[in-house]
Amino acid sequence: QSVLTQPPSVSAAPGQKVTISCSGSSSNIGNNYVSWYQILPGTAPKLLIYDDHKRPSGVPDRFSGSKSGTSATLGFTGLQTGDEADYYCGTWDSGLSTVVFGGGTKLTVL
Amino acid sequence: QVQLQESGPGLVKPPETLSLTCAVSGYSISSGYYWGWIRQPPGKGLEWIGSMSESGRTYYNPSLKSRVTILLDTSKNQFSLNLGSVTAADTAVYYCARAKYYYDNSGDVQYSFDNWGQGTLVTVSS
Repeated sequence: QSVLTQPPSVSAAPGQKVTISCSGSSSNIGNNYVSWYQILPGTAPKLLIYDDHKRPSGVPDRFSGSKSGTSATLGFTGLQTGDEADYYCGTWDSGLSTVVFGGGTKLTVL
Repeated sequence: QVQLQESGPGLVKPPETLSLTCAVSGYSISSGYYWGWIRQPPGKGLEWIGSMSESGRTYYNPSLKSRVTILLDTSKNQFSLNLGSVTAADTAVYYCARAKYYYDNSGDVQYSFDNWGQGTLVTVSS
């Protein structure tokens, strides 16, 4: 049981938009910054979003992050087949004094 | 370009100690950042194990703290993980990563992992 809650899977057609939600509490998302990670099969995880909405250099602006209260969202526009991967949200939990992650969401591009 | 590469035994017997090393290239670990370990059991999500700063400050997941040691070897530009008294529940892909960790003016914490290794599967079995 993960501290942060994500949907197990989402799907959409190429070229479409989709979002992945990440729900937490005031001890984690509500008062700390959220990051998002992409794990393609057999590859190193990649940081997509940090500080709730910032993109590292090289991450295309098709990816976006937002946060409201105790929930965060990862957004995609112009979906590509290469976006098929597992996505995880993560943040610091001030009550547990640990980094916490969501259970992960598998994105399928139909 | 920062690169990290895990190495170590792929099979560990219970209740021995799991030992992994992460070699870092493209950045000196003594120059800053935190250096940490995250694992992913088969079919499950990510779990943070712990991180250590270049100054020696260490943070461990409370659920693993009694069994974990992370050390930095600046002479070899690498860091290590020791996890003691392993059981089958410790079977996982283990990732090493560089972490950015700070408090902002409001006390909010930023903790993200900006560079990761490919991961190495460690199976715990007799």
